[in-house]
Amino acid sequence: DTGVSQNPRHKITKRGQNVTFRCDPISEHNRLYWYRQTLGQGPEFLTYFQNEAQLEKSRLLSDRFSAERPKGSFSTLEIQRTEQGDSAMYLCASSPRTHSPLHFGNGTRLTVT
Amino acid sequence: AQSVTQLGSHVSVSEGALVLLRCNYSSSVPPYLFWYVQYPNQGLQLLLKYTTGATLVKGINGFEAEFKKSETSFHLTKPSAHMSDAAEYFCAVSGAGGGNKLTFGTGTQLKVEL
Repeated sequence: DTGVSQNPRHKITKRGQNVTFRCDPISEHNRLYWYRQTLGQGPEFLTYFQNEAQLEKSRLLSDRFSAERPKGSFSTLEIQRTEQGDSAMYLCASSPRTHSPLHFGNGTRLTVT
Repeated sequence: AQSVTQLGSHVSVSEGALVLLRCNYSSSVPPYLFWYVQYPNQGLQLLLKYTTGATLVKGINGFEAEFKKSETSFHLTKPSAHMSDAAEYFCAVSGAGGGNKLTFGTGTQLKVEL
């Protein structure tokens, strides 16, 4: 169990630029989740995959956000035309089955200037 | 729909004192409840979970929590605080559906003083 890995750890970008984050879940976990966390708040659910299928998306996930998990292994989260309000910690988590605890990565901290 | 309320965004205790972090939940289905801890610039680490069965759940680092259905509560306790317990603590709930999606509270920052 090597844990959930997220890259990069930090990303600073200018408003209007596109950014992409990567998440590598624990290898035997078929469920993968993206959350966003802003300062002083708990993580907020963005989207969820079971294998390669994206099964749920939050209303927080505007049209500028897209997530993929092409082969049911790693996942990417892309934000197009970034805005200052996108500045947050983006957390990825994985789990092996329903109601198993989520295992979180250390997150990618995005700063939009 | 599920929700979690954590009373007290900041809690301060002396080293060696009892830690009590409060969590109340709302769920239309039998809940699965979790406590996570987060250290600065890190992800969340599971402390303990309640699924079914025994309502007093023991976790790592000496923490425990009791599920009280009548009070819709899942408070986290530790008999004796240690300096290393200083962190942010999140209570979370998931229901029978929703793909195991967790809904988190806003967190409680625990400060431990000498």
